[in-house]
Amino acid sequence: GAVVSQHPSWVICKSGTSVKIECRSLDFQATTMFWYRQFPKQSLMLMATSNEGSKATYEQGVEKDKFLINHASLTLSTLTVTSAHPEDSSFYICSARDGRSPNGYTFGSGTRLTVV
Amino acid sequence: DQQVKQNSPSLSVQEGRISILNCDYTNSMFDYFLWYKKYPAEGPTFLISISSIKDKNEDGRFTVFLNKSAKHLSLHIVPSQPGDSAVYFCAASAGTASKLTFGTGTRLQVTL
Repeated sequence: GAVVSQHPSWVICKSGTSVKIECRSLDFQATTMFWYRQFPKQSLMLMATSNEGSKATYEQGVEKDKFLINHASLTLSTLTVTSAHPEDSSFYICSARDGRSPNGYTFGSGTRLTVV
Repeated sequence: DQQVKQNSPSLSVQEGRISILNCDYTNSMFDYFLWYKKYPAEGPTFLISISSIKDKNEDGRFTVFLNKSAKHLSLHIVPSQPGDSAVYFCAASAGTASKLTFGTGTRLQVTL
């Protein structure tokens, strides 16, 4: 079946630094990818929709300049958390729209970000 | 504004019995619904989905029921197994493969 690889699976960074998270579709082309974040014991909140070759669409309340999304190819989308702060510590998950999948989406395994 | 809600944060069921997880939504534009199983520090795993043109979909031990008039769906797992213990999320979209809105999750514990 379709596979979405997300890397790294966990990362610890210092306040003020930037962190890049990669999301790759391994065996299919994904024109659309989605980025979610999940706080402990809470729901998955959609942050943005990433379309290949165009600007991402951000959900209300998500800072575009803080969470930079790049979808330069049909198999790779990246999320960069810029000038990270402890409140950005969260679990970030990507998913890709996959027309071959019975439910239309394939999720990555997530990235645990801890900002110290 | 939580458009998809799971009012039970947790549920405990004995092995072999039926687990019923509930989900309510408010957005009448939602027409495609999914259930996911999730473990900590992992991505969600798809279980089963249903389109608004149906009121029931079954796949092995999993059955999803949709009541459009009540804006309510439920996931039945029977018989429940210890390996089913996880957090279950319902999700909804307006159109297949549109962005998903997730519910708040229900932690299911299946006891021996």
